[in-house]
Amino acid sequence: DAKTTQPNSMESNEEEPVHLPCNHSTISGTDYIHWYRQLPSQGPEYVIHGLTSNVNNRMASLAIAEDRKSSTLILHRATLRDAAVYYCILRNFGNEKLTFGTGTRLTIIP
Amino acid sequence: DAGVIQSPRHEVTEMGQEVTLRCKPISGHNSLFWYRQTMMRGLELLIYFNNNVPIDDSGMPEDRFSAKMPNASFSTLKIQPSEPRDSAVYFCASSASGTGDEQYFGPGTRLTVT
Repeated sequence: DAKTTQPNSMESNEEEPVHLPCNHSTISGTDYIHWYRQLPSQGPEYVIHGLTSNVNNRMASLAIAEDRKSSTLILHRATLRDAAVYYCILRNFGNEKLTFGTGTRLTIIP
Repeated sequence: DAGVIQSPRHEVTEMGQEVTLRCKPISGHNSLFWYRQTMMRGLELLIYFNNNVPIDDSGMPEDRFSAKMPNASFSTLKIQPSEPRDSAVYFCASSASGTGDEQYFGPGTRLTVT
């Protein structure tokens, strides 16, 4: 699987937008970009995924660079409940496996 | 829907004992995954099933670990004999299809082997 690189940790103020970066310079044409997050003492939960175009859902937005070598998860208005470890994962079409890296630990400051 | 159900939520056992972790996937999902999470190694995929058939068990650490899925609504992960290094949180996840749909994770079983 192609590798992703994320900052180990980030901080953000409550009620402000958060931009979580992910680099994936070796991404292949059939790799989807998935984001999961893990709240304290819980299992991971799906956030969003995309292939080429930017994606929006009720939880977040995913901005994908034109060359697809990087992406950014955007939380539009962070709340304390968004404090979690966020994982950026590449998953090849048809492959069910998720390979988790170390992720970014997001701290929200009240 | 109740989500993915795992039992027990916590298990403390002595080295050498057999441990069985259980998982009930979301109804209608046909893929099931077992993961293990430790501080040292992070979140690792152990094995996954599609339509009750094991597809990839390359993450199973050794012969002491075995997993079964006798039907679409139940799976077990067994460790026999258990060792202290098996202490971890074990997660079960399920997904709706075989084409990479999102995975839904259970709350996990925290295993402590003394």
